[in-house]
Amino acid sequence: KAGVTQTPRYLIKTRGQQVTLSCSPISGHRSVSWYQQTPGQGLQFLFEYFSETQRNKGNFPGRFSGRQFSNSRSEMNVSTLELGDSALYLCASSRVGSEAGNTIYFGEGSWLTVV
Amino acid sequence: AQSVTQLDSHVSVSEGTPVLLRCNYSSSYSPSLFWYVQHPNKGLQLLLKYTSAATLVKGINGFEAEFKKSETSFHLTKPSAHMSDAAEYFCVVTPPGGGNKLTFGTGTQLKVEL
Repeated sequence: KAGVTQTPRYLIKTRGQQVTLSCSPISGHRSVSWYQQTPGQGLQFLFEYFSETQRNKGNFPGRFSGRQFSNSRSEMNVSTLELGDSALYLCASSRVGSEAGNTIYFGEGSWLTVV
Repeated sequence: AQSVTQLDSHVSVSEGTPVLLRCNYSSSYSPSLFWYVQHPNKGLQLLLKYTSAATLVKGINGFEAEFKKSETSFHLTKPSAHMSDAAEYFCVVTPPGGGNKLTFGTGTQLKVEL
């Protein structure tokens, strides 16, 4: 059974550009969430999607957006990139996402460097 | 709001000795708690989870954790460390009623020496 797949794994962008990251959840999983990991701020929740609807959102500016498609695949977009957006972006998926103790599986992440 | 505090940012042990990584939680409800491990340049792997069933939870690779409500703790232990255990470990709590808006601790870097 394939795990959570994220593409691209590594990318370098210039300040002011935009970037789109993709996440394919485990087959059968309908909930996808995104996290940003930086050395200074640790792991922070970005947003969660379930059945193509954003269910939760973290405290990030509007430059960070996402969406989920009918096949549960998800993308996140960051516009007008800033140096501080350099981070590991992790995608996680789960079967439903609403019951307590629901097991959440993470992908290997997309490493974004903004120069 | 829920939170977790990992009491040690770095822990160093010798191979073959016990591992103890400490986590305290704060929650106004009965929480679900997880431990994840992250090896260098990798994603997060679930070690174990507590969901109000047994208070002693066994995970993968010989790890286990005990939920102690009276102490609001969920410490991770392993009887005998292996070199491959060197990684960063995160204690995590879920929001009320479940959901995937996880709150992470700041992480504990485990170093295993020969």
